Amino acid sequence: AQRVTQPEKLLSVFKGAPVELKCNYSYSGSPELFWYVQYSRQRLQLLLRHISRESIKGFTADLNKGETSFHLKKPFAQEEDSAMYYCALSALRAGGTSYGKLTFGQGTILTVHP
Amino acid sequence: SAVISQKPSRDICQRGTSLTIQCQVDSQVTMMFWYRQQPGQSLTLIATANQGSEATYESGFVIDKFPISRPNLTFSTLTVSNMSPEDSSIYLCSALPGHLAKNIQYFGAGTRLSVL
Repeated sequence: AQRVTQPEKLLSVFKGAPVELKCNYSYSGSPELFWYVQYSRQRLQLLLRHISRESIKGFTADLNKGETSFHLKKPFAQEEDSAMYYCALSALRAGGTSYGKLTFGQGTILTVHP
Repeated sequence: SAVISQKPSRDICQRGTSLTIQCQVDSQVTMMFWYRQQPGQSLTLIATANQGSEATYESGFVIDKFPISRPNLTFSTLTVSNMSPEDSSIYLCSALPGHLAKNIQYFGAGTRLSVL
């Protein structure tokens, strides 16, 4: 079975400060990791996935298989980053395709103060 | 990408009744899922809606309580049966378009259900 843990339910920073949202996972097989974000009054949407190795809206996340972590980072937080952030895991088959379904962490509410 | 329309957006229901939630995708998709988000909790997968066959339920969820249909590649319904106050949650539909190697899920806006 897979599990995703986000230890911080709430995280507050000031605008311009660095921010790191923590995510740890447990899964015996090969995982694909994601960060999903939900802004106020909007639906859940993908922020980034580890396979893409992209920086989206200034956010990056590196999969650390040794520490089983996928922390989300941004060097300079903006007020518009205030949202609920979910880390999620999808199990991969031996051939690299996904089973599709997601296991979510508890979520972290990020508040960026002016 | 995929645009998902989910309805109703919210409802207030009496215990013992049933509610059917509809999920419509603007394009054919490989997989569709139903999640539940209880108050203050994370999203939990209820089941995978399989086109033309019975849904695959996760541990703790059963077909009698949450019957699911998926008659084609763009539409699915979730019914919450014989509701109790404990069923008060947000129910979310998601879709996985394209090949499973492009593993990006898109979500509906959710149905906020309150059971009195």
